[in-house]
Amino acid sequence: GESVGLHLPTLSVQEGDNSIINCAYSNSASDYFIWYKQESGKGPQFIIDIRSNMDKRQGQRVTVLLNKTVKHLSLQIAATQPGDSAVYFCAETGGTGANSKLTFGKGITLSVRP
Amino acid sequence: NAGVTQTPKFQVLKTGQSMTLQCAQDMNHNSMYWYRQDPGMGLRLIYYSASEGTTDKGEVPNGYNVSRLNKREFSLRLESAAPSQTSVYFCASRKGGSGANVLTFGAGSRLTVL
Repeated sequence: GESVGLHLPTLSVQEGDNSIINCAYSNSASDYFIWYKQESGKGPQFIIDIRSNMDKRQGQRVTVLLNKTVKHLSLQIAATQPGDSAVYFCAETGGTGANSKLTFGKGITLSVRP
Repeated sequence: NAGVTQTPKFQVLKTGQSMTLQCAQDMNHNSMYWYRQDPGMGLRLIYYSASEGTTDKGEVPNGYNVSRLNKREFSLRLESAAPSQTSVYFCASRKGGSGANVLTFGAGSRLTVL
């Protein structure tokens, strides 16, 4: 069946280091991918997205890489800060129509050590 | 703008009781969604409304009903609550259409069924 999953449940990094969060997806028809950040007690917040016609997209301190050949998505956070501590979700969907729905991965916790 | 507002934030129910979770968005978004979030399970779609006047089942609709009251409001009802419905519920909305696939989430409603 279709699924979106993350390789590791937790990731601990030193403040100032770069973080890499990985995600695998199984639906080869997916053409749009999003990373969300969820802080404790809050709803998920949009970080960055990428369409399947791209393999890299950069934002402020974040970069998303997409490898369609192996159906793999990653989120890179540069110079990780304590405020980056949160649960990160990848999500995918096939299309932008009104009935398109996001499928979320199970989430990975990023813990930043001071 | 308030974005997506959910009420109540916390609720404790006894098995068999009924309740309605309310959700409203002020962004003039077309589509609205209800998700539940359980430990280790990520976000699972319960019901969604692609546009005003329509509702459809998601991944886990059993035990729930929804009403798209108008473009702004989308409520989730538990007719006879069960302990398995103990969860954190998130409402989300999306403008829809090309380039507008990002979901905006509410802060969540934590429900405990005893």
